[in-house]
Amino acid sequence: EDQVTQSPEALRLQEGESSSLNCSYTVSGLRGLFWYRQDPGKGPEFLFTLYSAGEEKEKERLKATLTKKESFLHITAPKPEDSATYLCAELSGAGSYQLTFGKGTKLSVIP
Amino acid sequence: DTGVSQNPRHKITKRGQNVTFRCDPISEHNRLYWYRQTLGQGPEFLTYFQNEAQLEKSRLLSDRFSAERPKGSFSTLEIQRTEQGDSAMYLCASSLGQGDATEAFFGQGTRLTVV
Repeated sequence: EDQVTQSPEALRLQEGESSSLNCSYTVSGLRGLFWYRQDPGKGPEFLFTLYSAGEEKEKERLKATLTKKESFLHITAPKPEDSATYLCAELSGAGSYQLTFGKGTKLSVIP
Repeated sequence: DTGVSQNPRHKITKRGQNVTFRCDPISEHNRLYWYRQTLGQGPEFLTYFQNEAQLEKSRLLSDRFSAERPKGSFSTLEIQRTEQGDSAMYLCASSLGQGDATEAFFGQGTRLTVV
């Protein structure tokens, strides 16, 4: 059964304190690994898609990387406005367009 | 606003009543998805349309749930005989896909409370 596990569940950082969020996914049949940001009471906002091990993508203070077993979302010098829940999702299985999400990591950046 | 639009944003209903939600996807997006999210959990897949065809349904989707996408444009999700366990945020997403995995863009969701 597809399973996506994110860690830690919650993370508190001081403004400017860099860190990484982890996402472990089902190893076989990965067709895409997605990162989303979600603010309270709102729908998820698309950030990145990664397709193969070794791939990296960047956007402002965020960088997503992918290995054969997991993905990392690196946050460099975070600001309070980066506070949100970060969701990871996998697309796997031939012919399916169902995203399987993890429970998310709730990030709080303290000024 | 050219994003995914969902209506209503909030719905409170009594147990046993039927409810219907509407989703207007991004123009020209051929793929449309419904997800459900409860507090502290990630979104959970419900169903997927490519144009007007419903191609995938979650095994968790009970017979009380039905979705349509007439003419491949907007979509509706109906829940019959609502139960308290149906209380959740219902999210719609759309994507432009002609091949494999493409990024899905989500709407703001409809929050359902069953009392």
